[in-house]
Amino acid sequence: AQSVSQHNHHVILSEAASLELGCNYSYGGTVNLFWYVQYPGQHLQLLLKYFSGDPLVKGIKGFEAEFIKSKFSFNLRKPSVQWSDTAEYFCAVNFPGSSNTGKLIFGQGTTLQVKP
Amino acid sequence: EAGVVQSPRYKIIEKKQPVAFWCNPISGHNTLYWYLQNLGQGPELLIRYENEEAVDDSQLPKDRFSAERLKGVDSTLKIQPAELGDSAVYLCASSLGPEGTQYFGPGTRLLVL
Repeated sequence: AQSVSQHNHHVILSEAASLELGCNYSYGGTVNLFWYVQYPGQHLQLLLKYFSGDPLVKGIKGFEAEFIKSKFSFNLRKPSVQWSDTAEYFCAVNFPGSSNTGKLIFGQGTTLQVKP
Repeated sequence: EAGVVQSPRYKIIEKKQPVAFWCNPISGHNTLYWYLQNLGQGPELLIRYENEEAVDDSQLPKDRFSAERLKGVDSTLKIQPAELGDSAVYLCASSLGPEGTQYFGPGTRLLVL
């Protein structure tokens, strides 16, 4: 069965530290990949997405992610976090052309706490 | 451009009572989704609509949950009767087609007492 896993459930960083959140999925076919962010009290917002092309994608607020097909991974990175990055981060995968077409499968989420 | 609109934002009911949630998708988005998000977890799909047709409702507990999208625009999700375990956030999302980027509404936070 297709699944998505996020390795870190709770991450605490100081401001200016670098961030990397892991995301792996299980499926050998075509995937569309997403990172969503949920700031406290707000709704899920799209950070970035990968459909095809350059596997290194840049999103809003200085975030980027790299799709490594051989590792079934789509890790999220930011070189220097800010206190305002405190939020919950979700990796999500869509499997076009499969029995789960149209169904976003989410990881469990990672809570990021940035200390000022 | 207006985003996905949901109402109410919060709802507190007693168990065995009915409850309904409403969603208006982004204009022009023909695909609409209802997700369930439990505390500390990622959202899980309940049902997906292509226009007015429910094309994936395999995760919808049909004994107590129902949904409709009669004119292919806004949608209603209903629970009758509600149980304690239904306390969660109910999210609506929409996209241009099933493989498009999904945009989420603010959700309805349901508490069943």
